[in-house]
Amino acid sequence: AQSVAQPEDQVNVAEGNPLTVKCTYSVSGNPYLFWYVQYPNRGLQFLLKYITGDNLVKGSYGFEAEFNKSQTSFHLKKPSALVSDSALYFCAVSLSGYSTLTFGKGTMLLVSP
Amino acid sequence: EAQVTQNPRYLITVTGKKLTVTCSQNMNHEYMSWYRQDPGLGLRQIYYSMNVEVTDKGDVPEGYKVSRKEKRNFPLILESPSPNQTSLYFCASSFRGQGSYNEQFFGPGTRLTVL
Repeated sequence: AQSVAQPEDQVNVAEGNPLTVKCTYSVSGNPYLFWYVQYPNRGLQFLLKYITGDNLVKGSYGFEAEFNKSQTSFHLKKPSALVSDSALYFCAVSLSGYSTLTFGKGTMLLVSP
Repeated sequence: EAQVTQNPRYLITVTGKKLTVTCSQNMNHEYMSWYRQDPGLGLRQIYYSMNVEVTDKGDVPEGYKVSRKEKRNFPLILESPSPNQTSLYFCASSFRGQGSYNEQFFGPGTRLTVL
């Protein structure tokens, strides 16, 4: 069975500071890893994915994520947070590009002015 | 505009009264899925469909039915809703072709309350 853990319910950061939203995963095989973002009263939007290759992947809105196989982690990062980044962030994993996506419980990111 | 639409967006109903939440996508996606979102539990998959006439259970299928008679539509049916099905429901779709890799497009959500 595959699973995702997002250990922080909420992350608070000041605008302009770097941010990290943590994600660890468990899967029996090579993982396909994803980050999605949900703004208030909206559906989820795809941010970025790791399939293979370079461990640092870049996505939308200046976000990036680092795949670490030994630590089974896929943390989301951004060098300089914006107030508009405040949203609910979900990490997800699947065993292939087309099988069931398993989501974490989500981490609320709050960026203060 | 490429999109996934859901109807209704909000629904309040009573226990036992059958209801259907519609989902439609205009991107010719093979894969469609239903999720429910509950506080502290994240998104949990209810049912998914790899293509027309092909459906399969997700993690929490009890109390739900789906059908996939056409590629663009994937309705979610609650034959006898109960209060524990009060939730926020999302439909999603994606290509299954090489390179798509589960970049799912989500609908705006349907907030269901069962009294």
